[in-house]
Amino acid sequence: KAGVTQTPRYLIKTRGQQVTLSCSPISGHRSVSWYQQTPGQGLQFLFEYFSETQRNKGNFPGRFSGRQFSNSRSEMNVSTLELGDSALYLCASSRTGAPVGYTFGSGTRLTVV
Amino acid sequence: GENVEQHPSTLSVQEGDSAVIKCTYSDSASNYFPWYKQELGKRPQLIIDIRSNVGEKKDQRIAVTLNKTAKHFSLHITETQPEDSAVYFCAASKELGNSGNTPLVFGKGTRLSVIA
Repeated sequence: KAGVTQTPRYLIKTRGQQVTLSCSPISGHRSVSWYQQTPGQGLQFLFEYFSETQRNKGNFPGRFSGRQFSNSRSEMNVSTLELGDSALYLCASSRTGAPVGYTFGSGTRLTVV
Repeated sequence: GENVEQHPSTLSVQEGDSAVIKCTYSDSASNYFPWYKQELGKRPQLIIDIRSNVGEKKDQRIAVTLNKTAKHFSLHITETQPEDSAVYFCAASKELGNSGNTPLVFGKGTRLSVIA
């Protein structure tokens, strides 16, 4: 079966711009979680969506937002980009939302210049 | 909230030796502890996990031990091979059954290098 698909794989943006990242979960998985990975902070939780509802949210500023569609695909948006937003953004999907059975996508590498 | 500390941050071992990575967690209610392996440029992949009702779990050359009293858990890799070289992350979460779950909180990772 197809894995978790994230697009685009690489992205370069300028400070102040906004960006939208996409995540298509494994078929049948209703939960999508987003993580930011940086060398200094490791993997930090952004938010989780389950059946189109945000169920959990991490400690990130309001510039970071997300949504989930009826087909379980999810998008995250970052507005007013800052240099510190440069990171690998990973999404993970699971059938029930429990972290058991998490499958990660390959990530979107965002560089802010 | 939960805090997970992971040590060491880097580890070099000779091929065939054992490697041990240790994590501590702060929330005694956490009950699910997975380990992920991330090779360079690739996605994190689950290699083994353990729940709080079990003290040890093995899968071929990999084992995880959990000490609930001390709130720490460890990954043991025996007979290491060059392909074990990667960054390993521990994580902790609370599974709440039908009430949902808490997100995974990750340690900062251990870069394991296996020298041939």
